[in-house]
Amino acid sequence: EPEVTQTPSHQVTQMGQEVILRCVPISNHLYFYWYRQILGQKVEFLVSFYNNEISEKSEIFDDQFSVERPDGSNFTLKIRSTKLEDSAMYFCASIRDGEAQYFGPGTRLLVL
Amino acid sequence: GDSVTQMEGPVTLSEEAFLTINCTYTATGYPSLFWYVQYPGEGLQLLLKATKADDKGSNKGFEATYRKETTSFHLEKGSVQVSDSAVYFCALRLSGGYNKLIFGAGTRLAVHP
Repeated sequence: EPEVTQTPSHQVTQMGQEVILRCVPISNHLYFYWYRQILGQKVEFLVSFYNNEISEKSEIFDDQFSVERPDGSNFTLKIRSTKLEDSAMYFCASIRDGEAQYFGPGTRLLVL
Repeated sequence: GDSVTQMEGPVTLSEEAFLTINCTYTATGYPSLFWYVQYPGEGLQLLLKATKADDKGSNKGFEATYRKETTSFHLEKGSVQVSDSAVYFCALRLSGGYNKLIFGAGTRLAVHP
């Protein structure tokens, strides 16, 4: 069964450093999403992406964040200058035709 | 604003016990409703869904019915197993198939032999 994959599974970085989280959505899906889950808290929407542009973003998704689909398969989330409060699990999700979103296994980001 | 409220956990049950995890929502329009499950160390997996009032979603022995009159989508299972131990998230998606999901806080379930 096709699945969403994410790399790396874990990343540790220093405050102020840039990180790029990578996702490979299911191949025939058209809409892509990033969510995050701070430890012990609820899953929060960050951004949705369709047709090579952002379709919606949350208040969390400020100028430090960006998303890109650099080729036909990858979908990336970049954090330009990480803060301690960016430590969280980041989930990528994708959808094809209005059915339920399929989630990847997540990247656990720790900012020191 | 649009939101989902779940019962607080953890919920601790013995194997074969009956499970209910309450979920209520606030939303404009006619949202779709979902239950996702997160097993230890893993991502979110869709458990079941319902897209309109009175729909019943079911999967792996779990059921939930979309109740518009009570704005609820409670998750139930008649006989839980140790392997059901996980965190369960209720979520809604506003009308429009590509909208974001809005999640509840999650309810941790622990099932003991």
